[in-house]
Amino acid sequence: QTVVTQEPSLTVSPGGTVTLTCASSTGAVTSGYYPNWFQQKPGQAPRPLIYSTSNRHSWTPARFSGSLLGGKAALTLSGVRPEDEAEYYCLLYYGGAYVFGTGTKVTVL
Amino acid sequence: QVQLVESGGGVVQPGTSLRLSCAASGFTFSTYGLIWVRQAPGKGLEWVAVISYDGSDKYYADSVKGRFTISRDNSKNTLYLQMNSLRGEDTAVYYCARVYSSTSRVDYWGQGTLVTVPS
Repeated sequence: QTVVTQEPSLTVSPGGTVTLTCASSTGAVTSGYYPNWFQQKPGQAPRPLIYSTSNRHSWTPARFSGSLLGGKAALTLSGVRPEDEAEYYCLLYYGGAYVFGTGTKVTVL
Repeated sequence: QVQLVESGGGVVQPGTSLRLSCAASGFTFSTYGLIWVRQAPGKGLEWVAVISYDGSDKYYADSVKGRFTISRDNSKNTLYLQMNSLRGEDTAVYYCARVYSSTSRVDYWGQGTLVTVPS
């Protein structure tokens, strides 16, 4: 069974930068896994941020960026704002099926 | 504008069946893949199933394989999830979302429908 692992929690100061990662139990994450990233706040549906590793949706602020980093998918939040406090999930594609990451709780303090 | 609206959730007994629907509008339904995602109370997101734009390809999470069936009616702009042999661990909010298959871009989501299976 494939497991996609994210940091359980990260804390960042307002205005700071934080990088979240997404690792696959099958090996290095490449662009062929088409990583998607989502933000979710309590009681709300997930909000898409990034698709195909590094592409922003039309509504995604420029302070969110996606990349591949050391065999993992990565989401970097720059110039963090209080409203960025949320749970973040990655989603990887495995040739038909998908697997969500375990999620990262980002706290802005 | 793109809209996805789930319906059909409720409280059902273990071992019974339920069918969820996802009504789509605001885009050319027959050109997009669709996925079902669920979230158990206080837990993370779990991908459930995906169907291609024309219904010819379907894939399922191991946790639901053999019990759930994803389907679509392109003439009605509606996605379905038939859930059989329901268990307590199927209790979750179920979301449908649109996926652009060539890039696996998941963009628009519905607001979800709650399925409760008392254990």
